[in-house]
Amino acid sequence: GAVVSQHPSWVICKSGTSVKIECRSLDFQATTMFWYRQFPKQSLMLMATSNEGSKATYEQGVEKDKFLINHASLTLSTLTVTSAHPEDSSFYICSAGQGEGYGYTFGSGTRLTVV
Amino acid sequence: QQQVKQSPQSLIVQKGGISIINCAYENTAFDYFPWYQQFPGKGPALLIAIRPDVSEKKEGRFTISFNKSAKQFSLHIMDSQPGDSATYFCAASPGSGNTGKLIFGQGTTLQVKP
Repeated sequence: GAVVSQHPSWVICKSGTSVKIECRSLDFQATTMFWYRQFPKQSLMLMATSNEGSKATYEQGVEKDKFLINHASLTLSTLTVTSAHPEDSSFYICSAGQGEGYGYTFGSGTRLTVV
Repeated sequence: QQQVKQSPQSLIVQKGGISIINCAYENTAFDYFPWYQQFPGKGPALLIAIRPDVSEKKEGRFTISFNKSAKQFSLHIMDSQPGDSATYFCAASPGSGNTGKLIFGQGTTLQVKP
C-alpha cells in the first residue's frame, strides 16, 4: 500500500530559528502533496497544496513567507517554518497521492515545539 | 459554506454497542466524503469514504449513511471495541471526486468502555 513518511517525528527549536519538515512518498510518485496543521485537541486545517515543479498554493490566512514549501521531486515535499515562534507550535501533517482514483495517504505527522 | 460540522464532540459507548457520529455540510460542490480515525500523536488513517450518488456504504463494522437532500452523513461503528477508542474526523473534498484537498469536521473523541 501507499506509504508516506514524515521526518522528523518531533522537533524542538528555539524561537526565531527555522525548521524543515520532510514528507516523502516511499512507494509511489506523488504529483500532489498537501500540508495540514493541527493544534492540540483540534481539527486538521489545510495550509497549502504542493505540486511538483511549481509553486505551492496557500490557503487563505496562511503566510507563504513564513511557511515555505518546496516540492522538488515526485517523492519529496518540504515545509520550512521560518523564524518560528511559540504560536507555531503544532502538529504538522502531510498527505500525498497520485491523483483522483488512487487515494491520498497521510504521513505520521511532525510535532513542532517552539521554545 | 466551506465548513463541515461534526457532532458529538465526545462519545462514550459500551463494548459491543453502536457508535454514531454525525456530520453536516453546506457546500453542494463537495463530492467526496471520507471518515478518518486518528490515534494520539499519529496521522489520520482513512476508514471509509462515500460519493454523493450512494446512500450507504459498508466496510466491515463501519457504515456510512449519506443523505444528499439533507446534506448530512454519518458514521456507524457496529460492535464497538475498546481498540476503536480514538478521535474520528469526517471530511469533505471540494471539486470532482477525491482531489486530496480536504475540509475536516471538528472531530469526535470516542471512548469504548470494556
